[in-house]
Parts: sequence; structure tokens; C-alpha cells
Amino acid sequence: EADIYQTPRYLVIGTGKKITLECSQTMGHDKMYWYQQDPGMELHLIHYSYGVNSTEKGDLSSESTVSRIRTEHFPLTLESARPSHTSQYLCASSEGPNTQYFGPGTRLTVL
Amino acid sequence: GENVEQHPSTLSVQEGDSAVIKCTYSDSASNYFPWYKQELGKRPQLIIDIRSNVGEKKDQRIAVTLNKTAKHFSLHITETQPEDSAVYFCAAHNYGQNFVFGPGTRLSVLP
Repeated sequence: EADIYQTPRYLVIGTGKKITLECSQTMGHDKMYWYQQDPGMELHLIHYSYGVNSTEKGDLSSESTVSRIRTEHFPLTLESARPSHTSQYLCASSEGPNTQYFGPGTRLTVL
Repeated sequence: GENVEQHPSTLSVQEGDSAVIKCTYSDSASNYFPWYKQELGKRPQLIIDIRSNVGEKKDQRIAVTLNKTAKHFSLHITETQPEDSAVYFCAAHNYGQNFVFGPGTRLSVLP
């Protein structure tokens, strides 16, 4: 079934660790996005990509980085996690001017 | 750039009553306006959308209206049910730009 997948769904790590949040979509969409969201609060765009080898920073300053080597894959990496990174991270994708679909999210806790 | 405002931030209604959430946008070039519903602990899901060449769209108990001149659009939910309780996000999109989301409205339907 065409969908967006995120792993892990939950992650608890210690300060200073490097982590990568995975996002894959099987819908063939060209655009992909990463949002940071505290539960039930605003969606903050942190990174986006319009296609392979295209990545841009979003509106919210973030210490994370992303890559887009394959159309379907858009991982987000934190080189050194801090407690301020504790949040939910949502991946999304869209095709052209059409609807944006969200993944199930990764809930990150940094101790 | 685009800016989307959303009101109210919280809304409580009695079961069976109607609920209305309003959004305004700033960029007259925006031409696609989706609404998302996010239940507790889940991903945002598209519930209805409207394009700029249409003034109103309805899907069962949900309707969206768009006033391009005034640059505002509204979500109308009739005969509310407890399962309508969630956070609702509006968004505006202009082809070639990113989606810009409103800050969200927390709707509570009281039995």
C-alpha cells in the first residue's frame, strides 16, 4: 500500500548521541518535508526537498541535516542530540501542487 | 512570504452543534487550501480541501468555504460528534512554494 513510513516510532537517547530518523515514501512523490511538532501544537518546517539532490532549510532553525539521494528516502540526522531536541518529528510528501501526506511520526526524547 | 492565521485557538461545542474554524492568508497567489485533522497521538490527516477556482466544497458533515477577495477560508462541521474532537490545521499553498500551516484549533465536542 502506498504510504509514508517512519522509523523508529519512539526513541529515547542520551545527550551527545548521533541519531538518524528514517523516512520513506512509496507514493512516488517528488517533494518531501520534515516538521517538528510538540504534541498538538504548531507544525514547524525544518527541512524540505523538491527532488533528488535538492535540500533546503525550513522556517525553524534546526541543528539537523538531511539528504535526498533517492526519491523515496529522506533521512534526518542529528549529529549531537540535546534535551532541547525532544519533540515529535513528522515526515511528509507531496506531488506538485497537490495534497501533502504525513508519516506517523517519530517521538524523540533526549535525556 | 505567506502567513496563515487561524481562529479560534480552542473551541468547545456541545454534541450535535456546529463548529466553525476560520483562517486568513496573506499571499493572493495561494491557490490550494487543505484542512487537516490530527487526533491525539496520530498524524495529521487530510479531511477536505479546496482550490481557488471554487467557492465552496462539501463532504457529508464537513464543508469548506473560500473568499478569495477577503483572503479567508473556513471549515464548517455540522452535527458534531465526540470523535470530531481533535486539533484542526488549515494550510495555504502556492504552486512552487511550500505549504504554510495555521497554528491549529483544538476542538472539543462535549457529550
